[in-house]
Amino acid sequence: ETGVTQTPRHLVMGMTNKKSLKCEQHLGHNAMYWYKQSAKKPLELMFVYNFKEQTENNSVPSRFSPECPNSSHLFLHLHTLQPEDSALYLCASSQGWAESSGNTIYFGEGSWLTVV
Amino acid sequence: AQSVAQPEDQVNVAEGNPLTVKCTYSVSGNPYLFWYVQYPNRGLQFLLKYITGDNLVKGSYGFEAEFNKSQTSFHLKKPSALVSDSALYFCAVRDIRADSWGKLQFGAGTQVVVTP
Repeated sequence: ETGVTQTPRHLVMGMTNKKSLKCEQHLGHNAMYWYKQSAKKPLELMFVYNFKEQTENNSVPSRFSPECPNSSHLFLHLHTLQPEDSALYLCASSQGWAESSGNTIYFGEGSWLTVV
Repeated sequence: AQSVAQPEDQVNVAEGNPLTVKCTYSVSGNPYLFWYVQYPNRGLQFLLKYITGDNLVKGSYGFEAEFNKSQTSFHLKKPSALVSDSALYFCAVRDIRADSWGKLQFGAGTQVVVTP
């Protein structure tokens, strides 16, 4: 139990489908993140939300659409994805307001996405 | 700009022997440094971090890391490795400047294989 819960753990979708990944954190944190982990590549930061406001969009294609309705929930809406988008998508959270304090980022177990 | 390097793709060690996983970093200012571990088909788990103070940091599962400012290194160590330590280890750095909020830069990861 990491305090950050992601669903579904595995998702297979066609290129024309619309699906969503869900993340919920039970740690009382203010900041939430989406990372992408692909084989043979470093972790890529996709989006950052601080107090429900998006503070970072790391040049992510528009076929990925994040949503953060409150500080505890984060979604990643997926639409017309490509096979190269197949990866492990990791949600994370931190007590992010005090940036200078070196707050630890805590990760969920990830959602394995396969685009066919 | 900030970056982190893990020079070894894989480290092999016999059970009971010391384990070292290397990490070097580059930041403009002072760094926050982190180590995470990822077991197969799991998310990243936080091991330890250096923020300030004592250069030797102790973390979970008997791991420790030493911050060396002159060598810009933050190597992870464990005196006696276990087979269960076999996993993928990530070093990460965050520049403490305010404009890098949330941007935790990860290394490419080092696969640790501990043989019985």
